[in-house]
Amino acid sequence: QQQVKQSPQSLIVQKGGISIINCAYENTAFDYFPWYQQFPGKGPALLIAIRPDVSEKKEGRFTISFNKSAKQFSLHIMDSQPGDSATYFCAASRVGSSNTGKLIFGQGTTLQVKP
Amino acid sequence: DVKVTQSSRYLVKRTGEKVFLECVQDMDHENMFWYRQDPGLGLRLIYFSYDVKMKEKGDIPEGYSVSREKKERFSLILESASTNQTSMYLCASSFTGGMNTEAFFGQGTRLTVV
Repeated sequence: QQQVKQSPQSLIVQKGGISIINCAYENTAFDYFPWYQQFPGKGPALLIAIRPDVSEKKEGRFTISFNKSAKQFSLHIMDSQPGDSATYFCAASRVGSSNTGKLIFGQGTTLQVKP
Repeated sequence: DVKVTQSSRYLVKRTGEKVFLECVQDMDHENMFWYRQDPGLGLRLIYFSYDVKMKEKGDIPEGYSVSREKKERFSLILESASTNQTSMYLCASSFTGGMNTEAFFGQGTRLTVV
């Protein structure tokens, strides 16, 4: 019953390179798309989020690109650093008028940034 | 600093045992969630609660139940633990309403059923 599909499952990038993780969703009622970052031994933490009324959101080196017609969104990490090595999860939720904050997560991507 | 605390980091239980995983949040959040994390499968929602004594099934509720008697506490119960329930369990909480649906996670409980 996976409604959010994430790829790739793992990613290795050189320091200074661009990391790109992609997600696709099925439910057009979703209207909130966050990315979570998880370090080993820790719970996931919100990294950046976007709503479908914009096509891009940037926070520092992290950018979300959103394509509503294709039902896809992606995370770009510019100038990737070894400290970015973590597992990244995309997610989707329906906020709307009945917001429960119920998040549907993708399968996760393990990112390794080599020095 | 916001906090979601899970009672145990590691648990080892025997097949058939009844297992309780406890979660407490100090942010007065209405919503609380239990997820299960397995490699390649991401985070899968087991149950969530949007108010005291209220609950809804998630994607994989079979073999689990939950209890929420107080707003700050949400318990996950494995009625009769099985080896296929060996996993990382994550509790989360969030506000209801408005545009902020950020979920705050606990550190996780790694459960091994032998």
